[in-house]
Amino acid sequence: QSALTQPASVSGSPGQSITISCTGTSSDVGSYKLVSWYQQHPGKAPKLMIYEGSKRPSGVSNRFSGSKSGNTASLTISGLQAEDEADYYCCSYAGSSTLRVFGGGTKLTVL
Amino acid sequence: QVQLQESGPGLVKPSQTLSLTCTVSGGSISSGGYYWSWIRQHPGKGLEWIGYIYYSGSTYYNPSLKSRVTISVDMSTNQFSLKLSSVTVADTAVYYCARDTGGPMGWIDPWGQGTLVTVSS
Repeated sequence: QSALTQPASVSGSPGQSITISCTGTSSDVGSYKLVSWYQQHPGKAPKLMIYEGSKRPSGVSNRFSGSKSGNTASLTISGLQAEDEADYYCCSYAGSSTLRVFGGGTKLTVL
Repeated sequence: QVQLQESGPGLVKPSQTLSLTCTVSGGSISSGGYYWSWIRQHPGKGLEWIGYIYYSGSTYYNPSLKSRVTISVDMSTNQFSLKLSSVTVADTAVYYCARDTGGPMGWIDPWGQGTLVTVSS
């Protein structure tokens, strides 16, 4: 299966908003609205930030939000903070044989 | 809350079998409702889903690794394990164990801290 497509990098200044896209196909993202997003700081394990497309786990800032349109899911981070600088990965269900597929990851730089 | 911890050799020789164990604390695998996963990350690269197991023993693997992967569960020790056979240098990666809610609605949380496995002679 192919990985979901994410931009390699995005950047923004503190206080700004950024959006990370995650483009799949009609077989994964397009078929299921239930994309999840993960934040990974260097040398650390990934952390769940968004599940079921737009829901936030307890403890995750409401500055993080998720959405989807067609075959593309998006993660928006508003009011950027230095601590948001990390890699972000999307993940989708891709059918009964492949099950889980990840995006290639996006490096967020806070300028 | 549930915590996961990987353990196993950090160095494996080519053609041998990589074996890792994940110990679950703060919750019981036998309670059901979750799938117990292995995910890896090649150095400087993205995440790759390896597979997961349900407490019943049902397993689901990434088709690209299926011929070499075995995931098993030991409810008596509240652990699950990964075996990857015939490894090559391309299997050098950080291996994470994690809990998955399973199915189309699923998400992965929490994750273990990860363990680096290097394949080298």
